[in-house]
Amino acid sequence: DVKVTQSSRYLVKRTGEKVFLECVQDMDHENMFWYRQDPGLGLRLIYFSYDVKMKEKGDIPEGYSVSREKKERFSLILESASTNQTSMYLCASSGNTGELFFGEGSRLTVL
Amino acid sequence: AQSVSQHNHHVILSEAASLELGCNYSYGGTVNLFWYVQYPGQHLQLLLKYFSGDPLVKGIKGFEAEFIKSKFSFNLRKPSVQWSDTAEYFCAVTYPFNTDKLIFGTGTRLQVFP
Repeated sequence: DVKVTQSSRYLVKRTGEKVFLECVQDMDHENMFWYRQDPGLGLRLIYFSYDVKMKEKGDIPEGYSVSREKKERFSLILESASTNQTSMYLCASSGNTGELFFGEGSRLTVL
Repeated sequence: AQSVSQHNHHVILSEAASLELGCNYSYGGTVNLFWYVQYPGQHLQLLLKYFSGDPLVKGIKGFEAEFIKSKFSFNLRKPSVQWSDTAEYFCAVTYPFNTDKLIFGTGTRLQVFP
């Protein structure tokens, strides 16, 4: 069974803290993505990566960075968390079919 | 900018009612189209997809969608919904110049009452 695993389901952080969200996929997919999901706004792409050490900005990259040191792992980093980054964060991966496989999500609350 | 529109934000139905959720995209050329579903507390999963061929696509759990190029639409349908179809439904599209980047609509929340 294919799997995308996000390290934390729920996190609570304080404003200004650094936050790491980890994502691992076991499908040997080239492409990995980070989305945030907010009510009424759907899914918005933050960053994506086509290959190891490659990254590209999505639609809302401000306040975020990413790291892809290994093919199976794609990390999202909030250098200094702010309250407007309270959201559900979804990691996904895809191969050559275009279908995205999603993790279960990480719900981040920034106080 | 390319976009995907889902005009129904919240749909409430009784069991056995028919369902149609609208999805429109903004590009006139070749696109790949998807419907994803997110059941309460679960991860997003693929319902169905269209790349080419027969414009009527069958998916899991009795869902289908029809690609109408002239209307830039890819509406999701189910003849008779069940309580277990309560979920959020997202339409998504990839464009030929960026086939790995999926653009999502804002989602439609479906509530089905027994």
